[in-house]
Amino acid sequence: KNEVEQSPQNLTAQEGEFITINCSYSVGISALHWLQQHPGGGIVSLFMLSSGKKKHGRLIATINIQEKHSSLHITASHPRDSAVYICAVRSKGAQKLVFGQGTRLTINP
Amino acid sequence: EPEVTQTPSHQVTQMGQEVILRCVPISNHLYFYWYRQILGQKVEFLVSFYNNEISEKSEIFDDQFSVERPDGSNFTLKIRSTKLEDSAMYFCASSQGTGGWNTGELFFGEGSRLTVL
Repeated sequence: KNEVEQSPQNLTAQEGEFITINCSYSVGISALHWLQQHPGGGIVSLFMLSSGKKKHGRLIATINIQEKHSSLHITASHPRDSAVYICAVRSKGAQKLVFGQGTRLTINP
Repeated sequence: EPEVTQTPSHQVTQMGQEVILRCVPISNHLYFYWYRQILGQKVEFLVSFYNNEISEKSEIFDDQFSVERPDGSNFTLKIRSTKLEDSAMYFCASSQGTGGWNTGELFFGEGSRLTVL
């Protein structure tokens, strides 16, 4: 079983739709990261969470530690949001991040 | 905004050759990492580096690989005797830490694409 599972693997939506990407993990963590990978390959950190909820612009990330689950929401989606969104966790006591497979999001105009 | 820079952006090499990938982390960061992503696969951890030594490494990071921070600014990944399966995008990342523990957001470089022929 993968330590980090994301769903869906692929998501296509129309501009303006509300987007939710889910992440489940199986280990105790010290932090969960949401990252964005652009077509050219570069990775940008969106959020680092250890509890609760964070918001940045149209992006919202939530985490439920008891259920080992996190969600990334995008409000009023736009074609420029098209990218791969990756969930990654840092286990307690570890330095490394363990990555999920990513969710490929395509927003059509 | 400070950023992590990596060179080269793309390197093509022959199997068996040595490759050095270079990274300049953000200047006040204390934790440094190398990750790799084989085409179509998820990102995998290779190694973390703190206080001038390896703090954690994966099973991928065998004797073929080494890391170094030769001059206090560059952070390099050396791959000796490259194999076809080393073809991947290699990402350097850095983060701040407080009180000797890494609590910081990770900043990634744009990646170095390595193609082994």
